[in-house]
Amino acid sequence: EVQLVQSGAEVKKPGESLKISCEGSGYSFSSYWIGWVRQVPGKGLEWMGIIYPGDSDTRYSPSFQGQVSISDDKSISTAYLQWSSLKASDTAMYYCARISMRDAFDIWGQGTMVTVSS
Amino acid sequence: DIQMTQSPSSLSASVGDRVSITCQASQDISNSLNWYQQKPGKAPNLLIYDASTLETGVPSRFSGSGSGTDFTFTISSLQPEDIATYYCQQSGNLLFTFGPGTKVDIK
Repeated sequence: EVQLVQSGAEVKKPGESLKISCEGSGYSFSSYWIGWVRQVPGKGLEWMGIIYPGDSDTRYSPSFQGQVSISDDKSISTAYLQWSSLKASDTAMYYCARISMRDAFDIWGQGTMVTVSS
Repeated sequence: DIQMTQSPSSLSASVGDRVSITCQASQDISNSLNWYQQKPGKAPNLLIYDASTLETGVPSRFSGSGSGTDFTFTISSLQPEDIATYYCQQSGNLLFTFGPGTKVDIK
């Protein structure tokens, strides 16, 4: 079964760092782009960026460039989303998704809820 | 950046009704348009890609059409399990933008 499994919910304080993960299985992880999507509670979907595990080529939405860092470790079929200094406004559900050969997000992780509160 | 708009932002319809949602891109995106369904508390689910191609396993009551800047998503006969928010997404050149979403519920 093709699936993406994300790391568990996190509760952090403003200014702390965080790295969440997305592990792929059931397919050739290095052959598909992985995307990250933010969803603030009660709001819509926002595309953050993508990474190609084959060569770690990374692209960011202008809205998130410089705010987060996307990386991967293809040896363990895992992509990461990282913050160096969290803000309360980073409180959201974060989804990873596989990007199909037709540039659609065809397989989604279950989401990781990040809560940033003092 | 390519901006996406959707209308309406919400709608209420009866079981069996035909429901349509429109999505407009701020510039020509050819057919690089996808549609997703998101049920409360769940991750989104891909329904249609390339504007009109149904993803495997998706019921045939869902359909999509359009090209260029104007697109339409249709549910031919609304079912209770279709209660969800629907998002369009443009996918040109590996830069993506989601529309704001349309919430669909039963009247």
